[in-house]
This record gives sequence, C-alpha cells and structure tokens, in this order.
Amino acid sequence: QMQLVQSGAEVKKTGSSVKISCKASGNPFIYRYLHWVRQAPGQALEWMGWITPFDGNTNHAQKFQDRVTITRDRSMSTVYMELSSLRSEDTAMYYCARGNEGGDYFEYWGQGTLVTVSS
Amino acid sequence: QSVLTQPPSVSGAPGQRVTISCTGSSSNIGAGYDVHWYQQLLGTAPKLLIYANNNRPSGVPDRFSGSKSGTSASLAITGLQAEDEADYYCQSYDRSLSWVFGAGTKLTVV
Repeated sequence: QMQLVQSGAEVKKTGSSVKISCKASGNPFIYRYLHWVRQAPGQALEWMGWITPFDGNTNHAQKFQDRVTITRDRSMSTVYMELSSLRSEDTAMYYCARGNEGGDYFEYWGQGTLVTVSS
Repeated sequence: QSVLTQPPSVSGAPGQRVTISCTGSSSNIGAGYDVHWYQQLLGTAPKLLIYANNNRPSGVPDRFSGSKSGTSASLAITGLQAEDEADYYCQSYDRSLSWVFGAGTKLTVV
C-alpha cells in the first residue's frame, strides 16, 4: 500500500515563497505522475501540476505557470512543490497525490499541508 | 468557478438512495474522458471512491456506484448511512491539458 507523507504546516508572509515536501513509500513511485492539488478554505479542489519522478518532467496548470516549481529527489523518494510570490489567496491545504497507471485520476493522497499566508 | 458542475448539497435519510450529478462539456466528459469520484470526510484528505466512471477501488462498499452519459455523470449512494456524510467531488480530464474537478457536493444524512 502506498503512503505519501507531507511536511508540516507553514505560515508565510505575503510575497515570500513556500516549499512543501511529499515523501513516498510502498508501491512504485517513480513511474507514475505525482500531482499537487490545493484546496482553499471551504473551496473546491484545484489541480496545480505534476512531475514524473523517473525523469523529472513537469507540467503545471496555466494559472500557476510562473509561480510553481515542482522538483524531485529520486534517491529520497521525495517530491517538492515550491510556490512563490505568495498572496493571501494562496492560503490553502496543499495535497500531493499519486496518479494511476493511466494518469487520469488520483489514486493515493498525502495527508495535506496547510499553508497560511498573511501580511 | 469549477469546470465541472455539481449541486452544492444533497440530503437523505438513513437507508435512502441519493444521487449526485456532475455536468461537464465537450472538452472534458463529452470528449470521452472518464469521470472519477472522491469522498472527503470532514478535516481529511480526499479518498478515491469511484474510478473510470463505474469502478470501485478495493474496500469501497457496493452501495456506491457511478455512471456516465454524454457530458454528464452521476454518483449514486444506496442504503445511506451516517458515515456517508461528507463532501463528494467529481473529476475528469480536460482538453486544455488539465485535470478538472467539480465544486463539490455536501451530503447530509438527516
């Protein structure tokens, strides 16, 4: 059974950056998409981007194109998501989620990392 | 505004059947992409409930079922139980090269 364990909650100032980690264990990790999805308080889920840990290829939602960087450390089975130029609207729970073999849905989820942005 | 449209809330009594709709467009569900459903209990991460329109992962009770037709999909829950009270999200893929979600439906067991 796959487990995704994320780093702890963060409190950041407007305009700064945050980097969240997601460590995988269990089922194959490096050959599937590893996605980032966020959820603002009381709001819907929002897909942000993915990385394929095997080769480090990434793709991002257009909304986050200039602000999000997704990287990985294959040896540590860990994926990172950095969001820059933070604004109050970025206050949200951020989840990592592993895609299925076909890549079209999210099979396993991390527990979430709360990021709070304030001035 | 979410790409997929869901009712904000539904409710039912224990033992009843409820359905949650999910309406998309010709660039996502109508383009032939599968629909998937997630259950999010209060304060927890989403959990995969139905994948590829009508398939249940191991451990999901057969009280949960899904269907898809045209540009829409539905999640049905029969024999409603108190522990089914949660938010439910549909999800698909869009030709804009992105994974898209519905706004979520809050199920209340009255």
